[in-house]
Amino acid sequence: AQKVTQAQTEISVVEKEDVTLDCVYETRDTTYYLFWYKQPPSGELVFLIRRNSFDEQNEISGRYSWNFQKSTSSFNFTITASQVVDSAVYFCALRPGGSYIPTFGRGTSLIVHP
Amino acid sequence: EPEVTQTPSHQVTQMGQEVILRCVPISNHLYFYWYRQILGQKVEFLVSFYNNEISEKSEIFDDQFSVERPDGSNFTLKIRSTKLEDSAMYFCASSVGTGGTGELFFGEGSRLTVL
Repeated sequence: AQKVTQAQTEISVVEKEDVTLDCVYETRDTTYYLFWYKQPPSGELVFLIRRNSFDEQNEISGRYSWNFQKSTSSFNFTITASQVVDSAVYFCALRPGGSYIPTFGRGTSLIVHP
Repeated sequence: EPEVTQTPSHQVTQMGQEVILRCVPISNHLYFYWYRQILGQKVEFLVSFYNNEISEKSEIFDDQFSVERPDGSNFTLKIRSTKLEDSAMYFCASSVGTGGTGELFFGEGSRLTVL
């Protein structure tokens, strides 16, 4: 069975602070895919990134960066110089290679104050 | 950019009524999904659909739920006799395939309120 844990239920920061959202996963599969989705106040789910289990290279996209570490089963997400528009719920998800159904974590609510 | 569209954005219904939520997946996608998110809670898988049949479903997806692809574009979720606990945001998603990347692209959701 797969499990995704996002231990931080809510994080509150002031604009321009850096913030890291944690994601820890459990799976017995050797091939799997990890995702981050953003859910802004308007409610939609926006795909941010996908990472497969064979690629531990960290990725940076603008102010966003992701740190994938298989040794600790973690796939953390960092926002640098946060902005008010980053306020949203962020979900981490895991899809085992043998399934096409991602399992979502409970989400972390990020509040960025001006 | 292609997107998944859902209608209605919000529906209010009385307990016991039938509800149909509609989705238009991205045109070249082959796999379709429904997820549910009760207010403030996690996003839960309901059902996946491929090649005109259900390929996988969760225990939430009981006999009161059904899905259909009535034509080449729409993908619907029907709830036969709504209960109060069906109040949630329902997300439709689609993906190109299951191998390789297979990330899901979600619609904006349909909020269902059962009174």
